[in-house]
Amino acid sequence: DAGITQSPRHKVTETGTPVTLRCHQTENHRYMYWYRQDPGHGLRLIHYSYGVKDTDKGEVSDGYSVSRSKTEDFLLTLESATSSQTSVYFCAISESLVMGHEQFFGPGTRLTVL
Amino acid sequence: QQQVKQSPQSLIVQKGGISIINCAYENTAFDYFPWYQQFPGKGPALLIAIRPDVSEKKEGRFTISFNKSAKQFSLHIMDSQPGDSATYFCAASSNTGNQFYFGTGTSLTVIP
Repeated sequence: DAGITQSPRHKVTETGTPVTLRCHQTENHRYMYWYRQDPGHGLRLIHYSYGVKDTDKGEVSDGYSVSRSKTEDFLLTLESATSSQTSVYFCAISESLVMGHEQFFGPGTRLTVL
Repeated sequence: QQQVKQSPQSLIVQKGGISIINCAYENTAFDYFPWYQQFPGKGPALLIAIRPDVSEKKEGRFTISFNKSAKQFSLHIMDSQPGDSATYFCAASSNTGNQFYFGTGTSLTVIP
């Protein structure tokens, strides 16, 4: 398995509180991604990073921010959590998109916002 | 707008049967089409992938069929087994972009 860890694996929080999810990789891959997975929607991209301090928005970025200060770490922050952000969050990494490099996924974080 | 449309949402197949999942796309810039398999409680994992310069790719019991003119591709699972029961996602990406676009997923159940 690719060296990707996510923390925490499970979290329950209350509406309005800030939440930070962490993704850590040991593969030295350039690209890192945050997805959310919801029934009927599949995997939707929140934000991605194409290098240290280089990030961009995905299709469902509202209410989320990210930071990448080191190659190995990619943080996802919910500034003020809402119930609509209850979901399973996956981090993914890939070496490159050129030549179809594989995207490796972490184990996921189940977030519940009450 | 969904960049990659996947069907069916769920599929039940008898052991030994053929499972077929279909995907369609609009963006002709897409040039890489992977399929991911996800078991409950796990992250998705790459199953098989194809590039548009070939019409078919086979790996064991899994085959991708690709129709460039129709902008469609499908996953065929031959001799389906209960261990194949999982959620399958198609995806697409292009060399000029920085992201993958996923279908909404198909939940496959193979009945013994």
